[in-house]
Amino acid sequence: EVQLVESGGGLVQPGGSLRLSCAASGFTFSTYSMSWVRQAPGKGLEWVANIKQDGSEKYYVDSVKGRFIISRDNAKNSLYLQMNRLRGEDTALYYCARRPLGFSSGWYYYWGQGTQVTVSS
Amino acid sequence: AIRMTQSPSSFSASTGDRVTITCRASQGISSYLAWYQQKPGKAPKLLIYAASTLQNGVPSRFSGSGSGTDFTLTISSLQSEDFATYYCQHYYSYPWTFGQGTKVEIK
Repeated sequence: EVQLVESGGGLVQPGGSLRLSCAASGFTFSTYSMSWVRQAPGKGLEWVANIKQDGSEKYYVDSVKGRFIISRDNAKNSLYLQMNRLRGEDTALYYCARRPLGFSSGWYYYWGQGTQVTVSS
Repeated sequence: AIRMTQSPSSFSASTGDRVTITCRASQGISSYLAWYQQKPGKAPKLLIYAASTLQNGVPSRFSGSGSGTDFTLTISSLQSEDFATYYCQHYYSYPWTFGQGTKVEIK
């Protein structure tokens, strides 16, 4: 059974940093591209970042470029999101999600339960 | 970035109704579109990908159509478990974006 379990969320002050983790199991992690998607309280979904299977290619939404870094450790079956210079508008539930195989496949069947990030003084 | 605009943003319907939600892309995205259903406190559930391909296990009352800039999600006969918020998402080029959501409420 595919499982994605996020952790690392919490309350952080504006300008602070946080590192989210996503522990993957039930599939060959190194075979799949992975993503982070977030949802602000009461708002819609926002795609945040993608990372290729081997970590060689990374893509970000403009609002986090230069502040967030997506990474992975295939030996540990783990996905990460290093979030720096956090702002109030980064407050959201952050989901880890798995893309299907295939170059042109950009949809998400598997999602984690999310980890809450709150940026506030 | 490609903007995805859903309409309506919300509406009320009754069980048994035929429901159509539209999603318009600010530029052509071929068929690189997915639809999701989300219920409160839950992660999104994939319904359709590649604009019209039904995800395994999703009831056949759900269908998707369109290509280019205009897409629709249709529920042929609304069931009680279908009251939820629906999102479209393009994956044509980075950054990928979602529509703002359409909330389907009970009339």
